[in-house]
Amino acid sequence: KAGVTQTPRYLIKTRGQQVTLSCSPISGHRSVSWYQQTPGQGLQFLFEYFSETQRNKGNFPGRFSGRQFSNSRSEMNVSTLELGDSALYLCASKPETLFDRGNTEAFFGQGTRLTVV
Amino acid sequence: DQQVKQNSPSLSVQEGRISILNCDYTNSMFDYFLWYKKYPAEGPTFLISISSIKDKNEDGRFTVFLNKSAKHLSLHIVPSQPGDSAVYFCAASAAQGGSEKLVFGKGTKLTVNP
Repeated sequence: KAGVTQTPRYLIKTRGQQVTLSCSPISGHRSVSWYQQTPGQGLQFLFEYFSETQRNKGNFPGRFSGRQFSNSRSEMNVSTLELGDSALYLCASKPETLFDRGNTEAFFGQGTRLTVV
Repeated sequence: DQQVKQNSPSLSVQEGRISILNCDYTNSMFDYFLWYKKYPAEGPTFLISISSIKDKNEDGRFTVFLNKSAKHLSLHIVPSQPGDSAVYFCAASAAQGGSEKLVFGKGTKLTVNP
């Protein structure tokens, strides 16, 4: 079974640009979450999508947005990039049914390393 | 406000000895706790978890202990091996409306010396 796939692995953008990152979850997983990892703040939750709907959102500005497609693939977009947006962006997927809605581990992709210059 | 804290940024142990990684949390709504291991340039890999209804969960060399009254959990690795050298993240979640986000600590870098 293929794992969580994130593309691209590395990206360099300049301030003010926008960027779109992609995540393909494990087959059958409908929940996709995004996290930002920085040296100072650690791993921070961005948002979670389930069945094409945003179900939960972290404390990030509106420049950070996402969406999920009918095949569960997800994209996140960051507009008007700032130097502080340089980070490793991680996507995670979870198996979920009506009966085990919580308490399941998330499986992470390798991440996209975004550098803003 | 950091709800999950790993107060030791790093830990060094000898091969064969026990590694104990600690984690404290403040949110009493957390009901599920996980440990992830992360190598450089890779995503976190799930290691072990524990539900708040338990106080111990064991999987091979890894055991997680939960002390709810102290809002503290720990990960024990016995015996430690050089391949265990990585950054270990503690995470917690509180199911809310069918969705839960993981709140992570900042990680502890474990080095196991041969």
